[in-house]
Amino acid sequence: SQTIHQWPATLVQPVGSPLSLECTVEGTSNPNLYWYRQAAGRGLQLLFYSVGIGQISSEVPQNLSASRPQDRQFILSSKKLLLSDSGFYLCAWEGRNSPLHFGNGTRLTVT
Amino acid sequence: ELKVEQNPLFLSMQEGKNYTIYCNYSTTSDRLYWYRQDPGKSLESLFVLLSNGAVKQEGRLMASLDTKARLSTLHITAAVHDLSATYFCAVDGYGGSQGNLIFGKGTKLSVKP
Repeated sequence: SQTIHQWPATLVQPVGSPLSLECTVEGTSNPNLYWYRQAAGRGLQLLFYSVGIGQISSEVPQNLSASRPQDRQFILSSKKLLLSDSGFYLCAWEGRNSPLHFGNGTRLTVT
Repeated sequence: ELKVEQNPLFLSMQEGKNYTIYCNYSTTSDRLYWYRQDPGKSLESLFVLLSNGAVKQEGRLMASLDTKARLSTLHITAAVHDLSATYFCAVDGYGGSQGNLIFGKGTKLSVKP
């Protein structure tokens, strides 16, 4: 069966520091992968999606970037965090005709 | 631009009562999803609706899709406290298997004894 791992679960970082969040999927090959962000008390915003290694599409211009160095690995990064980057970050993978499967999320607090 | 609107955004119910959450979307799509989110947790898939007239039921929850009206409903029957959560509907933004989902803002449901 397929599983998705996301870490860390929580992170507190100062403004201006770098960020790296990692997501890996097991049990499937060539999945579509997604990064979403959920600000406090709000809905989900799609940040990036990837249909294959090295293929990244950005939905919202921002302080973040994404990379997919391996088929089942998706990384969200920032060189310098802003206060507005705080939120709940969710990685997800897509199955054919099935819903998105979400990781457990990373709660990021930028101080 | 695809927009997904849910209402109500907040819902306080008594146990045993029935209620419906509505999800309207602004452009053609025949794929709609319902998710549940408990506080501080990730999203859990509830229903996948893939065609006009689709109806799915799981326990006290039933979801339906009317693609002509661009409307999906999530009906709650005889609510219990365990249903307290935030419910999101989401529509495939590009109408294809490699599309991305556009989420509504969520309906925060609180079921009180």
